[in-house]
Amino acid sequence: GEDVEQSLFLSVREGDSSVINCTYTDSSSTYLYWYKQEPGAGLQLLTYIFSNMDMKQDQRLTVLLNKKDKHLSLRIADTQTGDSAIYFCAERSRPGGSQGNLIFGKGTKLSVKP
Amino acid sequence: GAGVSQTPSNKVTEKGKYVELRCDPISGHTALYWYRQSLGQGPEFLIYFQGTGAADDSGLPNDRFFAVRPEGSVSTLKIQRTERGDSAVYLCASSLGRLEDTEAFFGQGTRLTVV
Repeated sequence: GEDVEQSLFLSVREGDSSVINCTYTDSSSTYLYWYKQEPGAGLQLLTYIFSNMDMKQDQRLTVLLNKKDKHLSLRIADTQTGDSAIYFCAERSRPGGSQGNLIFGKGTKLSVKP
Repeated sequence: GAGVSQTPSNKVTEKGKYVELRCDPISGHTALYWYRQSLGQGPEFLIYFQGTGAADDSGLPNDRFFAVRPEGSVSTLKIQRTERGDSAVYLCASSLGRLEDTEAFFGQGTRLTVV
């Protein structure tokens, strides 16, 4: 079945790079997403990558996709205290079905220490 | 409004009661999604509307859950005979069209507590 796995916690120092990893099981996934959730706030889409790409860069964010290993990572360069949040990996699969059904991981809580 | 609006922000209800949760999507967004997020978990898909019709309701956990979107804008998630296990944050999102084409914008959620 469909499943998305993430490590639950990551702690880094301000200014360092953060790497959040995710594995997924559905090889038919077409899009993979990274969302950010701050305390008391809604989910914010950070970036997404189409399954035929292996890398996408957007300012401090770099997404790497290894389709063979079904592994997705999000790298945040020069991590700031404002980056402290929970980061969710999500996949959209079911090419024959709903366009709206995202499968989310449990989230990785990123703590940034000054 | 500027974003997706969900009301109420918090709802406490007694076990066995009926509740309605409301979602006002961004104006002009034809797609609307409901998710449920339990404590310490990622959001779990419930139902997806394209216009007025439910394009995919495969995530609704049982027949106590029902959602409508009669005019293709506001949506209401209805839960009958609530159980303590229904306690969660219910998230609504909307987008212009297909999820892969555009970003889905999430509301702040309704925190439902069943006591």
